Formats: sequence, structure tokens, C-alpha cells
Amino acid sequence: KAGVTQTPRYLIKTRGQQVTLSCSPISGHRSVSWYQQTPGQGLQFLFEYFSETQRNKGNFPGRFSGRQFSNSRSEMNVSTLELGDSALYLCASSLAPESETQYFGPGTRLLVL
Amino acid sequence: KNQVEQSPQSLIILEGKNCTLQCNYTVSPFSNLRWYKQDTGRGPVSLTIMTFSENTKSNGRYTATLDADTKQSSLHITASQLSDSASYICVVSDRGSTLGRLYFGRGTQLTVWP
Repeated sequence: KAGVTQTPRYLIKTRGQQVTLSCSPISGHRSVSWYQQTPGQGLQFLFEYFSETQRNKGNFPGRFSGRQFSNSRSEMNVSTLELGDSALYLCASSLAPESETQYFGPGTRLLVL
Repeated sequence: KNQVEQSPQSLIILEGKNCTLQCNYTVSPFSNLRWYKQDTGRGPVSLTIMTFSENTKSNGRYTATLDADTKQSSLHITASQLSDSASYICVVSDRGSTLGRLYFGRGTQLTVWP
């Protein structure tokens, strides 16, 4: 069974641009969560989607948004990029929220110049 | 304020030795606690998840304990291997609901030397 895939793996953008990251969960998994990881802040929760509905949201500004499609694939979008948005963005999938195990993808490393 | 504190921040041990990582939390209400292992440059991998009623859970050479009264958890690694070198992250979830949140520790960076 294929694992969680994220595209692109690496991305370079400039301030003010927007970016869309994609996550394909493990087949059969309906819950997708997004996290931001930086050396200074560690892992921080962005949001969680289940059955195309945002179930939970972390403390991030409205520039960060996401959605989930009927096939459980998810995208997150960051508008008006800032230098501080440079980070590793991780996606995790699970059968359902609060499932025994979350499976993480390799992440998308975003660099904002 | 809901927080998760991990100690030590970093740890170096020799191959074959045991070690214990600590996680203290103030998250309330409590739903579950997870330990993740994250290799450099890769996404985290779940090791264990424990709910309020569970005191101990093992996954191979990894054994996690939970004391919900003192709000402390530990991850014990037995007979360490070079491949155990990674960051170990403790994550606590507040009571499961549509408003459930995850609180992350900063991680313990473990280095195993031959």
C-alpha cells in the first residue's frame, strides 16, 4: 500500500506570492492533517480535514487555508507569503480523527525569499 | 496554558545502552498522548498512542508509560541501535471533539554512537 505522498517536495517562492501544496493520503484514509515544522517552533498544527470538512484548526492567520476533496486528497494554500513561512510542511493521514496511528508524508520544504 | 515539555533537549548514548525520554504536559482535558520518531529530513513516524486508561504500551524496543495523575509520560528505548538516532516528539491531544487540539513538545534529539 502506497504511503502518504506530498507534492512538490521542494519549493522556492518570493514574498507576496502564494503557494499550493498537495497531499494524497493512504488509500482508505479519510482524515488528513497539516503541520508546519520550523527549527524555532517545532511542529505546529495547522488544520485537520475529515470527509471534506475542516474539523479543527490551529492558531495560524487566515493566509493559511486548506481543503479536502471527495477522494480525500487535500491541498493547503498560503497566500501573501512571508519570510517566516519558510518551513517544512507535513501532511498526515489516518483512517479517522483520533485514530490509533497517523502516517506522515515526507513533507514539502518551502523556502520564501 | 496547555503545554508539552520534553526533556532532555538532547541526549547522546552509546550503542546498546538504554535511555529514557521524558514528557510532561499541562493539557486539559486529556484525550491521548503519542510519541513520534522523526529522522532528519523525513516526516514523523508514530511509535505509540496511549489513552487515559493505559499505563504502558510497547512497540518493539520502545516502551511508553503514562501517569495521567501526574501528567507525565516517558519513552524508554532498550538496547539502542544506531538507527534510533532521531528526534522523538511527544504530542498530547485534548479531549476528542470537533474542537480537539494537538499540542506538540519540542522533541528530544537522540544521538546513538557506535
